[in-house]
Amino acid sequence: DAKTTQPPSMDCAEGRAANLPCNHSTISGNEYVYWYRQIHSQGPQYIIHGLKNNETNEMASLIITEDRKSSTLILPHATLRDTAVYYCIVPGGTSYGKLTFGQGTILTVHP
Amino acid sequence: EAQVTQNPRYLITVTGKKLTVTCSQNMNHEYMSWYRQDPGLGLRQIYYSMNVEVTDKGDVPEGYKVSRKEKRNFPLILESPSPNQTSLYFCASSSSGTGGEGYTFGSGTRLTVV
Repeated sequence: DAKTTQPPSMDCAEGRAANLPCNHSTISGNEYVYWYRQIHSQGPQYIIHGLKNNETNEMASLIITEDRKSSTLILPHATLRDTAVYYCIVPGGTSYGKLTFGQGTILTVHP
Repeated sequence: EAQVTQNPRYLITVTGKKLTVTCSQNMNHEYMSWYRQDPGLGLRQIYYSMNVEVTDKGDVPEGYKVSRKEKRNFPLILESPSPNQTSLYFCASSSSGTGGEGYTFGSGTRLTVV
């Protein structure tokens, strides 16, 4: 898997947009970027993934830079229930089947 | 409802007593995987399977066995549990080993070995 770097923690006010960055400078041309989150000891939850273009679904938006070396997950209107650990993952083709979770970013949404 | 089901949710056992944690998915996914999560160490992959009868070691396979006799089930077997296997375990499945449309995780099994 390509190495990813995320800030250890971030804060966000309820109702505001949460922008979570991720660096993946060693990403290869055909590798996707995935985002998951884990809410206190629950199973990780898939959020979104993308290759080159920006992506949006009912949960979030994913912005990938043109050089693909970094991405930003955007939660447009954060709620208290969005408080979780957010993981940015780039599963590598040469390590098919292995999905490596880093330490992620602890996002705290406060009232 | 598409889901990954793990059982049991909680288990307390004694050292050396063989146990099995079951995992079943109803999405016809080819890929399944087991993880353990420990404070400060994050999620670490134990074993994964890319299809029936195809399994491979993850990052921390010692002390565990798995089998994939049918597509929907991927049990995790601890032949002789030890206290250092006390952990929170998650099973996951996906249509692809690189993630496909995203992995679906089970709710977790909290295992305590005394």
